[in-house]
Amino acid sequence: QSVLTQPPSVSGAPGQRVTISCTGSTSNIGAGYDVHWYQQLPEAGPPLLIADNNNRPSGVPDRFSGSKSDTTASLTITGLQAEDEAVYFCQSYDSSLSSYVFGTGTEVTVL
Amino acid sequence: EVQLVQSGAEVKKPGESLKISCQGSGYSFSNSWIVWVRRLPGKGLEYMGVIYPDDSDTRYSPSFEGHVTLSVDKSISTAYLRWGSLKASDTAIYYCARHSSTYDFYSGFSYWGQGTLVTVSS
Repeated sequence: QSVLTQPPSVSGAPGQRVTISCTGSTSNIGAGYDVHWYQQLPEAGPPLLIADNNNRPSGVPDRFSGSKSDTTASLTITGLQAEDEAVYFCQSYDSSLSSYVFGTGTEVTVL
Repeated sequence: EVQLVQSGAEVKKPGESLKISCQGSGYSFSNSWIVWVRRLPGKGLEYMGVIYPDDSDTRYSPSFEGHVTLSVDKSISTAYLRWGSLKASDTAIYYCARHSSTYDFYSGFSYWGQGTLVTVSS
């Protein structure tokens, strides 16, 4: 039972923009804890895509961007590409649970 | 280069015990928290717990406390995840990970092990 809720799936045509929301509460995102985004790959550990709400680690394409407001964070892919088909997770910290928490995951499909 | 190398896949029966490992290199192992994450087949990621190698300060997710044990051996830069009695529902891929910043407990997980597949079946 995740405390961060994401839409199960989003889709878009190549070149379009898609946005994935991550809805939390006042004990995690709303408490000011940073939100991070990961791209789940079939086999390897999920690489960090967006750090600290809106920072792209070195090597991450600039079509990926993040934002945060109140109790919700968002990941936007601008200029969707076929290679972006994957499952994406948000992650933060929850003070009520004293625990890191992951979102429910969103599958991105490129039409 | 920071690397986390995990032990190989395991096949166990329900009720058996198991300890898997995660060896860190390329950084000061003692001074960086190690996080363990579970990935269930066809499902998402679940945080299990975190341990600070220098003093073995350990914090568990409420969902896993009492079922798994985290430990470290600083002398060989290795963290462990142990089950005393496995269940079929423990079948999953287990990852160790490290924060992007050794100073920020709330930073993202930049470094990941390759994952250890644990299969529990009678």
